[in-house]
Amino acid sequence: AQSVTQPDIHITVSEGASLELRCNYSYGATPYLFWYVQSPGQGLQLLLKYFSGDTLVQGIKGFEAEFKRSQSSFNLRKPSVHWSDAAEYFCAVGADSGGYQKVTFGTGTKLQVIP
Amino acid sequence: ETGVTQTPRHLVMGMTNKKSLKCEQHLGHNAMYWYKQSAKKPLELMFVYNFKEQTENNSVPSRFSPECPNSSHLFLHLHTLQPEDSALYLCASSQTGTTDTQYFGPGTRLTVL
Repeated sequence: AQSVTQPDIHITVSEGASLELRCNYSYGATPYLFWYVQSPGQGLQLLLKYFSGDTLVQGIKGFEAEFKRSQSSFNLRKPSVHWSDAAEYFCAVGADSGGYQKVTFGTGTKLQVIP
Repeated sequence: ETGVTQTPRHLVMGMTNKKSLKCEQHLGHNAMYWYKQSAKKPLELMFVYNFKEQTENNSVPSRFSPECPNSSHLFLHLHTLQPEDSALYLCASSQTGTTDTQYFGPGTRLTVL
């Protein structure tokens, strides 16, 4: 069974600083990997996804993530954080489950942005 | 409307009440999902419907009863809930296929008194 670990429960960064959120996964085959963002009281919005091909994936809102198979990691990065990026971020791994994707989520990293 | 919508957005109910949550997707997808999001816990997959057929029940108590009358609508019927069932209930949909992304609704915040 697949699993996801987000080691940082809470991260605080200054506006304009760079950001990296860590994600490690466990899955026997080639994983499908996702990053979602959730603002307070809202559902999850997809930031980016990796299925195959280029290991550096570009997403919305200036985010990118790099798939590193040797480290079983899929870390999310942004070069310059904006106050509106304050939210909770979820890494997830998907697996084929007979016609649909069964997605397992991490416990999330809450991002605080200070002026 | 576009995307995935959920109603109501907030619901307060007593333990003896019966209520239903509704989800509608406007994306032409064939798979729909119910997730439970509790504080400090990962999202828990509850049910999956693929082409209106239930394909996953993740050991969910029978006080939660899903219904999928067509590929665009998904309901979660609630009865005799417990306070620990208070959570954010999220609906998602996806096209069928192993590389298809799930798109989420805004959720229903449920409080059981």
